[in-house]
Amino acid sequence: DQQVKQNSPSLSVQEGRISILNCDYTNSMFDYFLWYKKYPAEGPTFLISISSIKDKNEDGRFTVFLNKSAKHLSLHIVPSQPGDSAVYFCAAEGNTDKLIFGTGTRLQVFP
Amino acid sequence: DTEVTQTPKHLVMGMTNKKSLKCEQHMGHRAMYWYKQKAKKPPELMFVYSYEKLSINESVPSRFSPECPNSSLLNLHLHALQPEDSALYLCASSSRRSEQFFGPGTRLTVL
Repeated sequence: DQQVKQNSPSLSVQEGRISILNCDYTNSMFDYFLWYKKYPAEGPTFLISISSIKDKNEDGRFTVFLNKSAKHLSLHIVPSQPGDSAVYFCAAEGNTDKLIFGTGTRLQVFP
Repeated sequence: DTEVTQTPKHLVMGMTNKKSLKCEQHMGHRAMYWYKQKAKKPPELMFVYSYEKLSINESVPSRFSPECPNSSLLNLHLHALQPEDSALYLCASSSRRSEQFFGPGTRLTVL
């Protein structure tokens, strides 16, 4: 049972525009959410996180939004840059040490 | 020092070999993790060490044996692996309830 889902396996966005990556979860015990970026054959790189007591967290070009009632979070990247092209994973944790990853979305930013 | 290092970067082994993967962090993190990642899949948790004690084992086969010699080091001992165990093995570390920092991974091929 996939507790964290990213329903879009891929997304293509023009440079300078907004990229919106979505993530849904099923477990209401999750209270901490993270986004990671991953290049092939490398470890995931932490981007941004949000606690369930907040509904928005912003860091530079990256903003994460959390809608607890819908069990949905999204990552906004503005403006998108070619270097943002990678696979993005959302992840969730629920007061344990277990981080549950979504299935990933491959973002391609073209000129 | 804000990185997690892993050695070796690549490893090829036969099904009868014994080898070890090594992970090191000097961020004073109290938790360390092993993940396995297959191509086009999210990282899958294998083991968690918290304060140098094994706290989570995700029903991993005994041919994988973790060891935490001290708070900075984490090993994964491999013995009698199968070809389907070929994957990218990722180590991570974290403080309590915060983002996990990942190493670059070891690309393991079992022949």
